[in-house]
Amino acid sequence: ETGVTQSPTHLIKTRGQQVTLRCSSQSGHNTVSWYQQALGQGPQFIFQYYREEENGRGNFPPRFSGLQFPNYSSELNVNALELDDSALYLCASSRDRKNTEAFFGQGTRLTVV
Amino acid sequence: DQQVKQNSPSLSVQEGRISILNCDYTNSMFDYFLWYKKYPAEGPTFLISISSIKDKNEDGRFTVFLNKSAKHLSLHIVPSQPGDSAVYFCAASAAGSSNTGKLIFGQGTTLQVKP
Repeated sequence: ETGVTQSPTHLIKTRGQQVTLRCSSQSGHNTVSWYQQALGQGPQFIFQYYREEENGRGNFPPRFSGLQFPNYSSELNVNALELDDSALYLCASSRDRKNTEAFFGQGTRLTVV
Repeated sequence: DQQVKQNSPSLSVQEGRISILNCDYTNSMFDYFLWYKKYPAEGPTFLISISSIKDKNEDGRFTVFLNKSAKHLSLHIVPSQPGDSAVYFCAASAAGSSNTGKLIFGQGTTLQVKP
């Protein structure tokens, strides 16, 4: 039990649609990061938020955006969905920006058809 | 450009024996390394970490070794138990001006521990 929960657990969307994925971090964790994990691969860093501001971004297009709220919840938004966006999306929270011990949620499995 | 590589997709060991999972990296700026375990339908679970100022860190049955000159780290599990069967990911992060804890993950190694 990591104390990090994600919703929904599974989601099916149509190409071109928009999706919002949600994450609830552990209380006191100021940092949240989002990762995309394609089948058979390791998680790939999308971006990180620290105290409600973006604090680093990976090689993902601007249609991937996020928000972090004061109540330790956060969102990942993806616009204009593409088939290749089908993946497991993971959020991870930690007390510090260095992620010396990042705790992951169970992930949201997104399927784009 | 795969900065963190786990060259063995799978590993099978007998219960009670040692499991050794390997990881290589290319970026000399990496200064912190972590191992995660992942069961199906769950998120990765943190196992153990090591800072680049150390060459060994131990926690119960799990020991991580870091060889900076070879840019290589390994996770030793001894004794291995059937419940250790999972996918293991190594991850690395680098200090930077943004102080972002961006984790770079390897592709994972599936460990099977046979009873």
